[in-house]
Amino acid sequence: DAKTTQPTSMDCAEGRAANLPCNHSTISGNEYVYWYRQIHSQGPQYIIHGLKNNETNEMASLIITEDRKSSTLILPHATLRDTAVYYCIVRVLMNRDDKIIFGKGTRLHILP
Amino acid sequence: GAVVSQHPSWVICKSGTSVKIECRSLDFQATTMFWYRQFPKQSLMLMATSNEGSKATYEQGVEKDKFLINHASLTLSTLTVTSAHPEDSSFYICSARGGQGYTFGSGTRLTVV
Repeated sequence: DAKTTQPTSMDCAEGRAANLPCNHSTISGNEYVYWYRQIHSQGPQYIIHGLKNNETNEMASLIITEDRKSSTLILPHATLRDTAVYYCIVRVLMNRDDKIIFGKGTRLHILP
Repeated sequence: GAVVSQHPSWVICKSGTSVKIECRSLDFQATTMFWYRQFPKQSLMLMATSNEGSKATYEQGVEKDKFLINHASLTLSTLTVTSAHPEDSSFYICSARGGQGYTFGSGTRLTVV
């Protein structure tokens, strides 16, 4: 079973920041938080990951709470192309038996 | 960056026939690949883990005789849906684990008529 909880869907106006929350209250000390997204009829795309520090890349920012029980993915200036299902996943980095188990994710609608 | 090529992107086959889907890691070696299935409006469901040179490990409830997986090289894994039926119609996605993490293919939409 997925170890994360995400809202089923969210709306965001184009040009605004999209903030997608994720709860992972049972996360272990060696588990990272990963975010992927899936645009309709495509394979999942990696967005960002982090352990405990906030992270930023060209796509998004990841804010992890100090107790690591929740995180927020931020898309700073959402565009229509960001409409997708966003998956928050926790996993041990490159563990031999590691595999990605997807939860239901959040369906993000960017509104024009 | 790492690229995974999946072919075909879509296929239509007759009920009772078999269909092979290929998953290739183009610029890295992948000792482990994964196959997922996704029905409309649902999340990806892991079907099996494919390890180069050994038998695949199937998730509970997945018929290994129906979904044949071959991982004969470090860059190629294939999924064969044998004796396909309409209920096998789905979106199949592969993923390869390499040095930079996981990379996903673009998916194959299988329609069995």
